[in-house]
Amino acid sequence: GDSVTQMEGPVTLSEEAFLTINCTYTATGYPSLFWYVQYPGEGLQLLLKATKADDKGSNKGFEATYRKETTSFHLEKGSVQVSDSAVYFCALKGSTLGRLYFGRGTQLTVWP
Amino acid sequence: GAVVSQHPSWVICKSGTSVKIECRSLDFQATTMFWYRQFPKQSLMLMATSNEGSKATYEQGVEKDKFLINHASLTLSTLTVTSAHPEDSSFYICSALTGLMTDQPQHFGDGTRLSIL
Repeated sequence: GDSVTQMEGPVTLSEEAFLTINCTYTATGYPSLFWYVQYPGEGLQLLLKATKADDKGSNKGFEATYRKETTSFHLEKGSVQVSDSAVYFCALKGSTLGRLYFGRGTQLTVWP
Repeated sequence: GAVVSQHPSWVICKSGTSVKIECRSLDFQATTMFWYRQFPKQSLMLMATSNEGSKATYEQGVEKDKFLINHASLTLSTLTVTSAHPEDSSFYICSALTGLMTDQPQHFGDGTRLSIL
């Protein structure tokens, strides 16, 4: 079945460091891939998405490229800020209409 | 962008009471809404899928009689935790779909923190 495997955290970085959070998936067909961000005490916000192979989703300096050959959708940011501290979830939407499959989430803490 | 409103954001109540949580899509019609439960430092666990005008589809292991879901209109779904006990304490999050195509994202509410004393 469909599933997402996400790099375990926590990840702790200094401000302006480079960020990578790994995400790989298993799916039948042609899933869409998403990254969501959750700030403390809040729901999830869509960060970026990609709907087909080789698509690059980007938002607020974050990027992720849909790699079908490696079944991956790694999240990257060139220079993190303290305000990026949050939990990041990789998610897949595939054959079951509307159903999202989430990774475990990665806690990111950025220190000034 | 699409906005989903969830209410209340925090509720504390005594063991044995029932608690209703509302999830509204504010600027779009949502034929499908989802209810999730999240334990501290863990991922979201899908509890049920709610379709307007029909019975909700519950995930395996979720008690239908404990977690009553009603989706009476295209903009409102409710989750009622019946006879709540301390083990039901958790963070509950709803989401709504703007469309059925796979590339349409879910839009999430801000969650409800439920604490049962």
